[in-house]
Amino acid sequence: EDKVVQSPLSLVVHEGDTVTLNCSYEVTNFRSLLWYKQEKKAPTFLFMLTSSGIEKKSGRLSSILDKKELSSILNITATQTGDSAIYLCAVNAGNNRKLIWGLGTSLAVNP
Amino acid sequence: GAGVSQSPRYKVAKRGQDVALRCDPISGHVSLFWYQQALGQGPEFLTYFQNEAQLDKSGLPSDRFFAERPEGSVSTLKIQRTQQEDSAVYLCASSPARGQGTGELFFGEGSRLTVL
Repeated sequence: EDKVVQSPLSLVVHEGDTVTLNCSYEVTNFRSLLWYKQEKKAPTFLFMLTSSGIEKKSGRLSSILDKKELSSILNITATQTGDSAIYLCAVNAGNNRKLIWGLGTSLAVNP
Repeated sequence: GAGVSQSPRYKVAKRGQDVALRCDPISGHVSLFWYQQALGQGPEFLTYFQNEAQLDKSGLPSDRFFAERPEGSVSTLKIQRTQQEDSAVYLCASSPARGQGTGELFFGEGSRLTVL
């Protein structure tokens, strides 16, 4: 059965810290991996990764895919309280190209 | 509209009642998805529309759940004879791309259903 596992499930850090969130997957016919940020409302898109080893960057956030290790990491440097959210990883896989979602990592950034 | 709009934002239903949840996607978006998200869980796929065609309904948990998108824009998710286990946030997402997961999804703020 296809699955996506995120770790850690929750994390508490202080402002200014750097965090690394992990997403690992076991799927058939991998196509892409997506990261979303979910605050109290709707998930918002961060990155889509299809190629191994190519870092995608947006401000203080960056992400990279490792197809050998079947995983991806999301890095956030110089964290701010506004980074507090649930970070969701989803993998597009299978012949029906369905998105399989992880449970998310709940990040709390304290001032 | 500017974003995906869902209504109602909150719905409380008595067990056994029927509910209808509405999704107004971004204008021109071909693909529309419904997800169910329980507390502390990731979104669970319910169904997928490409224009007015429901191409995948494999995630609908029972025949009490029904979705439609008759004109290829607004969609309605209907839940008949609601049960307590139906309590969740129902998220709608749209995408300009065809196919599931081929591009960025734009989510609405969700409809939180509580069944008493």
